[in-house]
Amino acid sequence: QVQLRESGPGLVKPSQTLSLTCSVSGGSMTRGSYYWTWIRQPAGKGLEWIGRISTTGRTSYNPSLNSRVTISVDSSTAHFSLKLTSVTAADTAMYYCAKQDWNCSGGTCYDWFDPWGQGTLVTVSS
Amino acid sequence: SSELTQDPSVSVALGQTVRITCQGDSLIRFYSTWYQQKPGQAPVIVIYGKNNRPSGIPDRFSGSRSGNTASLTITGAQAEDEADYYCSARDNNDKLVFGGGTKVTVL
Repeated sequence: QVQLRESGPGLVKPSQTLSLTCSVSGGSMTRGSYYWTWIRQPAGKGLEWIGRISTTGRTSYNPSLNSRVTISVDSSTAHFSLKLTSVTAADTAMYYCAKQDWNCSGGTCYDWFDPWGQGTLVTVSS
Repeated sequence: SSELTQDPSVSVALGQTVRITCQGDSLIRFYSTWYQQKPGQAPVIVIYGKNNRPSGIPDRFSGSRSGNTASLTITGAQAEDEADYYCSARDNNDKLVFGGGTKVTVL
């Protein structure tokens, strides 16, 4: 049973880079055709998909964050990472990592995030 | 369009049926997934694909789609179903998007 856990600084200064790591345990990071994903949620607000990386290293990002975000994976140490540059107070949120699986058949597709990490709160403040 | 639209809130009497909707152009092509989120917890899948329930999710939860609208129905709502519910799906650029969430109150 795959389990995920986020880690990283809980406080980041404005204009600096937010860096988080998601540790993966209980399963292989490279076997299968799924994705490793980051999602965030400001307090009292909805979920926002940040981006994903495939088991082969291919990335896809939310267009609203594309110029500031980088997701990377290190299968040898069983973790994947998020970097978000030039942060502002608007980037204050709970950050979740998740495994994204998908299925395509009959001309349509669907995706699901499972499991999720417990989340880590990042505050951007001086 | 890359947006998924949900009603902000809905209420249901204990034991009654409630339907939560999610509207978006990409839902004509793609199925949605529904998540339940309770305060202080990470979201949990309740429905994915056409109408698939993960193990452990009660059969009072069901999903459907008509045109550009996906629906999550709770038949016989229980007090423990009070939560925020989010839909998600691919957009027409193959990115993932979430709806704004619907707060379900069980009266």
